[in-house]
Formats: sequence, structure tokens, C-alpha cells
Amino acid sequence: EVQLVESGGGLVQPGGSLRLSCAASGFTFSSSWMHWVRQAPGKGLVWVSRINDEGSTSNYADSVQGRFTISRDNAKSTLYLQMTSLRAEDTAVYYCARLAAPGHNYYMDVWGKGTTVTVSS
Amino acid sequence: DIVMTQSPDSLAVSLGERATINCKSSHSVLYSSNNKNYLAWYQQKPGQPPKLLIYWASTRESGVPDRFSGSGSGTDFALTISSLQAEDVAVYYCQQYFGTPPTFGQGTKLEIK
Repeated sequence: EVQLVESGGGLVQPGGSLRLSCAASGFTFSSSWMHWVRQAPGKGLVWVSRINDEGSTSNYADSVQGRFTISRDNAKSTLYLQMTSLRAEDTAVYYCARLAAPGHNYYMDVWGKGTTVTVSS
Repeated sequence: DIVMTQSPDSLAVSLGERATINCKSSHSVLYSSNNKNYLAWYQQKPGQPPKLLIYWASTRESGVPDRFSGSGSGTDFALTISSLQAEDVAVYYCQQYFGTPPTFGQGTKLEIK
């Protein structure tokens, strides 16, 4: 079964850091481009970051550029999102998602269940 | 960034009736070299992650009931549910993957009348 399982969310103070993980199974992770997408409470979906299959190319939303870092360990079939300098507006459910095929211009065909990040003092 | 605007924000339809959700992009998402529209539709039920329904504007994902259909080209798109079922209550999002960053519409909440 194709599956993505996020972990690492929690309560963190403003200015703090957190690392999210996304464990993949049931498909060839090393051939897949991956995204992080977030959803603030009661709000819509917002793209956060993307990484290519080799981990050599990444992109970020302007709102997280310079604070978040996406990475991957293909040997462990795991995607990461290192979040620093967290703000209240980063509070959201964070989803990892797989692109349907390698390359920038594809849709997200598999989603994890998400992990919740709450930034509050 | 390409802005995606959905209408309406919410919609109430009777069981068995047709439901149509519209999505407009601020820039064409049609790639002329392959004549494909880089537009997807997702369904999100409460407490669940989004689920892919439609890609390339009109291709139904495997396992998605055929009452769901996508149409449109360029900047104007629609998701139609031909005969609404109770399990279709959800929020629906369109998303363009033509440009970077990929962007979503604000969502349309579909309810039973």
C-alpha cells in the first residue's frame, strides 16, 4: 500500500524550531518529487516547499523562505522539513504529498494524514 | 504567482441533483506544446487529508466515481458532480501546477440541502 506518514508536530514557542518527518512506503521514494503543504485551522491549503527526487533542488513559499529547509534521506525513504524561527502564523496541519511523476509540473497524487504544529507561548 | 479563485465559496445541493464548482486562474494554465491544462481538483472531508479527484483538468483519478467530472481550458474550469451523494459532502479545491509556486483555490464547501 502506498503510504505517507508524517510525524514530529507539536507545541512550540514563538522563535522555536521543529523538525517534521514524512515516512514513505509502498513506492519508490527515491524516484519521487515531494511537497509539503500546510493548512491553518479552518483555512485552505497552502503550498510550503518542494524537493526533487535526488534532493539537489528545492523551492519554498515566500512566507517560509530562509526559515524552513526541506530535505530527504532516500536510503530511509523519509522526507523532512526543518522549521526555525517559528511564528504564530505557522500554526497549521502540515501534509507531505507525492508528485505523480518526476518534474515540477505535476499534481499531488498521494497525501499523508498530516501532523499538527502549534506555535504559541 | 497564479491566483486561483473558486466560486461559490459554499454550495448546498439536494441529494441526486447536480453540483457545479467553478475555478478561475489569473493566468492560463494551458501549455500549448502538449495541449494540456495543468489543473487538478481535490476533495477534503472533515478531519481527512485532501484526496486527488481530477488531473489535467478532466482526467479522473483511478477509483473516483464517474459522477465526478472536470471541464474547462485556459483560465476557466469546473468540477461537476452529476448526482450528489451524501458522501460527497466535503470541501473541494482546485490547484494549478503550471507555474511555481503551485497554488490552490480558496475552497468550496459542498453541503446537502
